Amino acid sequence: DADVTQTPRNRITKTGKRIMLECSQTKGHDRMYWYRQDPGLGLRLIYYSFDVKDINKGEISDGYSVSRQAQAKFSLSLESAIPNQTALYFCATSDPGFYNEQFFGPGTRLTVL
Amino acid sequence: DQQVKQNSPSLSVQEGRISILNCDYTNSMFDYFLWYKKYPAEGPTFLISISSIKDKNEDGRFTVFLNKSAKHLSLHIVPSQPGDSAVYFCAASASGDYKLSFGAGTTVTVRA
Repeated sequence: DADVTQTPRNRITKTGKRIMLECSQTKGHDRMYWYRQDPGLGLRLIYYSFDVKDINKGEISDGYSVSRQAQAKFSLSLESAIPNQTALYFCATSDPGFYNEQFFGPGTRLTVL
Repeated sequence: DQQVKQNSPSLSVQEGRISILNCDYTNSMFDYFLWYKKYPAEGPTFLISISSIKDKNEDGRFTVFLNKSAKHLSLHIVPSQPGDSAVYFCAASASGDYKLSFGAGTTVTVRA
């Protein structure tokens, strides 16, 4: 079974709708991250959390919110989706340490019409 | 402004030859660098890393070279195989900062 899972894998929604993307992990890591990938821009950090009570904005947090329901679960919400939020979204986890290897989920492809 | 840059969006190489992927960074605080590989419909997976105390790290067919003075790193794949066809992301982080900054990625196509 995958260590980092994301649901849904694909989602099409309309402008103005609220949508939630969910991430679960079985790696036992405290640190979790949400990224979006856009062509030509690579992966950009939206939000990150170093433990259940710690939530931090990344470089592109506007229009997004997150919830860390438990060590294993980290959800990303789009309160009112807009077309330029159409992208591939990845959740990742990591363990503290000098070697900051992050482990990624399979991604959610979101289309906002 | 992107702190990690991969200026070649794509690279095509013949099977058996060497693939060289380049990455430049601007933040002098970066001291740990990683390469990730991504296949379609999958998340990125860690490939190889290097810390700033080294200038080379090797793992099988993959070698990463770091030139700190030039703020440049490269990934060499020798020999290239069809299964190496993927998008490769360069990433960097600074000590004590557990966030990664990613480049835009380079799509590698290995021709038979």
